[in-house]
Amino acid sequence: GAVVSQHPSWVICKSGTSVKIECRSLDFQATTMFWYRQFPKQSLMLMATSNEGSKATYEQGVEKDKFLINHASLTLSTLTVTSAHPEDSSFYICSARDAPGGPYNEQFFGPGTRLTVL
Amino acid sequence: QKEVEQNSGPLSVPEGAIASLNCTYSDRGSQSFFWYRQYSGKSPELIMFIYSNGDKEDGRFTAQLNKASQYVSLLIRDSQPSDSATYLCAVNPGYALNFGKGTSLLVTP
Repeated sequence: GAVVSQHPSWVICKSGTSVKIECRSLDFQATTMFWYRQFPKQSLMLMATSNEGSKATYEQGVEKDKFLINHASLTLSTLTVTSAHPEDSSFYICSARDAPGGPYNEQFFGPGTRLTVL
Repeated sequence: QKEVEQNSGPLSVPEGAIASLNCTYSDRGSQSFFWYRQYSGKSPELIMFIYSNGDKEDGRFTAQLNKASQYVSLLIRDSQPSDSATYLCAVNPGYALNFGKGTSLLVTP
């Protein structure tokens, strides 16, 4: 299957700082990338959907000014957690799809980024 | 809110037995269904997907879908200790995936 990478794999930061997480599709062009967040013993919750060259679509309850998403190329999307607080500590996972639209296209998941805010 | 429900478990089965994992969903418009396996601290990996009613087999895994009952299941035959993980059911009603909370499976030697 297609490969998606994330960087960094883990990050520890102080409260109030911003953290950027990168998601890259290594061997395919990702028309759509998704950002998920997973708290311990909880399911993956979709935060936003990102299409190359356009603004991200955020799920209800996700603050777009706090979680900045940029999808400037077909192989790279970034998630910036601005003014991070301890409650933002979570496992952030991106996924990418190599075909536009439709419910039958597989999503390929990155390895995730563990964010800890002190 | 479109719901995907799974029993959180843990489901404990002895090595070599069949593990049966179940999932129900609320959105009748859902068109594709996925089972992911997630080890602790790792991201999900796709095991199987199914689109049509009935059974789909892939090695030791069989996915079963019943759209009328809004029910999808995963059977794991000849369970191995390495199958111990959390299994996530995901449903796609048209664009993005909705995940259940997952069922924790423990295969005991």
